[in-house]
Amino acid sequence: DGGITQSPKYLFRKEGQNVTLSCEQNLNHDAMYWYRQDPGQGLRLIYYSQIVNDFQKGDIAEGYSVSREKKESFPLTVTSAQKNPTAFYLCASSLDREAGELFFGEGSRLTVL
Amino acid sequence: SQQGEEDPQALSIQEGENATMNCSYKTSINNLQWYRQNSGRGLVHLILIRSNEREKHSGRLRVTLDTSKKSSSLLITASRAADTASYFCATRRNNQGGKLIFGQGTELSVKP
Repeated sequence: DGGITQSPKYLFRKEGQNVTLSCEQNLNHDAMYWYRQDPGQGLRLIYYSQIVNDFQKGDIAEGYSVSREKKESFPLTVTSAQKNPTAFYLCASSLDREAGELFFGEGSRLTVL
Repeated sequence: SQQGEEDPQALSIQEGENATMNCSYKTSINNLQWYRQNSGRGLVHLILIRSNEREKHSGRLRVTLDTSKKSSSLLITASRAADTASYFCATRRNNQGGKLIFGQGTELSVKP
């Protein structure tokens, strides 16, 4: 079935370590997004990519990095520079930059010990 | 910064009752969308309403949009326990293609 796969679902990290969250889609969508969600909060946009080899910063990009080398993949690296990385991370995709609906993965929960 | 603000933040009703959630936003938009999130899961798209539309229906869902007041409402009729979830509005602004900005959400609890 088509969809978005995020991995791992749960991740624990020690302070000072970088971690990479995987996001893969087989929907043939051009646009992909990373959002962060804190408890009881809405979603905040970290990075988004509208086409392969191109991406833009969202509202809270500091301490994060991304790449978009393949259409189906948009990994997110949470670097040691991110001061408060414990959160629920959601990846999404849409057909293109003008399309309405976003399709979400099931999320990755990162906990910094 | 967040574009949409939902109210109430939390809503508790009995099965069979209607649930109404509201969303306000600040800038002009291309469209407004509503999503649902079950606890610990990803979001699921419910309905999209364009800026030139005033009302839209999908099953037990009814969405209205008032661009003069920069507000939208989501009505769930004849609610069920399975409707228990958080509901978010999201706006796609004009001239900012690709960015969908989410509100803080309304947590709905439907008691059997």
